[in-house]
Amino acid sequence: AQSVTQPDIHITVSEGASLELRCNYSYGATPYLFWYVQSPGQGLQLLLKYFSGDTLVQGIKGFEAEFKRSQSSFNLRKPSVHWSDAAEYFCAVHMNRDDKIIFGKGTRLHILP
Amino acid sequence: EAGVAQSPRYKIIEKRQSVAFWCNPISGHATLYWYQQILGQGPKLLIQFQNNGVVDDSQLPKDRFSAERLKGVDSTLKIQPAKLEDSAVYLCASSLMGQGVAGANVLTFGAGSRLTVL
Repeated sequence: AQSVTQPDIHITVSEGASLELRCNYSYGATPYLFWYVQSPGQGLQLLLKYFSGDTLVQGIKGFEAEFKRSQSSFNLRKPSVHWSDAAEYFCAVHMNRDDKIIFGKGTRLHILP
Repeated sequence: EAGVAQSPRYKIIEKRQSVAFWCNPISGHATLYWYQQILGQGPKLLIQFQNNGVVDDSQLPKDRFSAERLKGVDSTLKIQPAKLEDSAVYLCASSLMGQGVAGANVLTFGAGSRLTVL
């Protein structure tokens, strides 16, 4: 069955430290891949997306993600986090055979001052 | 451009009561989605419309949930009767999916409607 896995429910990093949030998917073909961020009381906002081409994609707020086909992964990274990055992050995949977009369970990011 | 509008933002009801949520998508977006987000979980698709037709409602509990998009623009999601486990945030999103536009599968979300069932 198609699925999206975010193995880390919570991650805590210090302000200024680097960040990597993991995402793995299960799908028979290469899907379209997304990362969304949700701040408290807000809807989800698109951070970045991968459709094709260069496997390292840049997004807003200094985030980037790398698609690795061999690992079925699309991990989100940021070299230096800011306190305002504290939020919940969702990986999503578009299963383009049937136009379904499904979300992982999310990773909540906590920032230590 | 105006974003996806949802109302009400918050609703508290007792179990077995009914509730309705409204969503107005981004102008020109043919595809509209209702997602249910239970605390601590990712959004789960309840129903997907393209214009006023249903594309996918496989995860909609049809014995108590209903949704319509009569004129292919705004949409209403109704729950009747509500159960305790329906407490969640109901997110509406829209996209250009199916309109032959590059990047059409990017979703734009509203702020959500938080439902508490007592």
